[in-house]
Amino acid sequence: EDKVVQSPLSLVVHEGDTVTLNCSYEVTNFRSLLWYKQEKKAPTFLFMLTSSGIEKKSGRLSSILDKKELFSILNITATQTGDSAIYLCANAGGTSYGKLTFGQGTILTVHP
Amino acid sequence: GAGVSQSPSNKVTEKGKDVELRCDPISGHTALYWYRQRLGQGLEFLIYFQGNSAPDKSGLPSDRFSAERTGESVSTLTIQRTQQEDSAVYLCASMGQGRTPLHFGNGTRLTVT
Repeated sequence: EDKVVQSPLSLVVHEGDTVTLNCSYEVTNFRSLLWYKQEKKAPTFLFMLTSSGIEKKSGRLSSILDKKELFSILNITATQTGDSAIYLCANAGGTSYGKLTFGQGTILTVHP
Repeated sequence: GAGVSQSPSNKVTEKGKDVELRCDPISGHTALYWYRQRLGQGLEFLIYFQGNSAPDKSGLPSDRFSAERTGESVSTLTIQRTQQEDSAVYLCASMGQGRTPLHFGNGTRLTVT
């Protein structure tokens, strides 16, 4: 059975701090690893990673994948209160790129 | 519409009743997915539709759950004889062609009393 595990489960920081969120996976078939941000309702897409060692960046957020060690990290630098959300990691390993196995999420709270 | 639309946004029902949840995907998206998110947990895959192919129902938790899709448009998820453990947010997502990410709707929060 495919498994995705995220750590920590929750994290509280102050504005300006840098955070690293972790995601490890055990899957029978790997297509891609995705990160989503979930505020109140719909998860919104952040990154899709398919190749090891290539960092993807979007503003203060970046992510990288290690396919040998089966993990990914999401970094957020200079955190802001608007970064407070649940960050979800998911593996696309099945018969479709949209059939995802999600981790339980990391709840990030950024205090002013 | 610009995004995936789900209705209703909230549904409270009594145990034992049937409920229908609706999803309007992004126009032109051929693939449509249903996920369930229980309180404090990640998303669980339920079912997906791809074009005219038979749906992948491998995530449906019991035979009380079913879903239909009309062509490449609206989908309905039906839960019969609801139980309290069915209480969750039900999220619909659609996807375009190729290696593109899922676009999620805002979900339907189902509460079974």
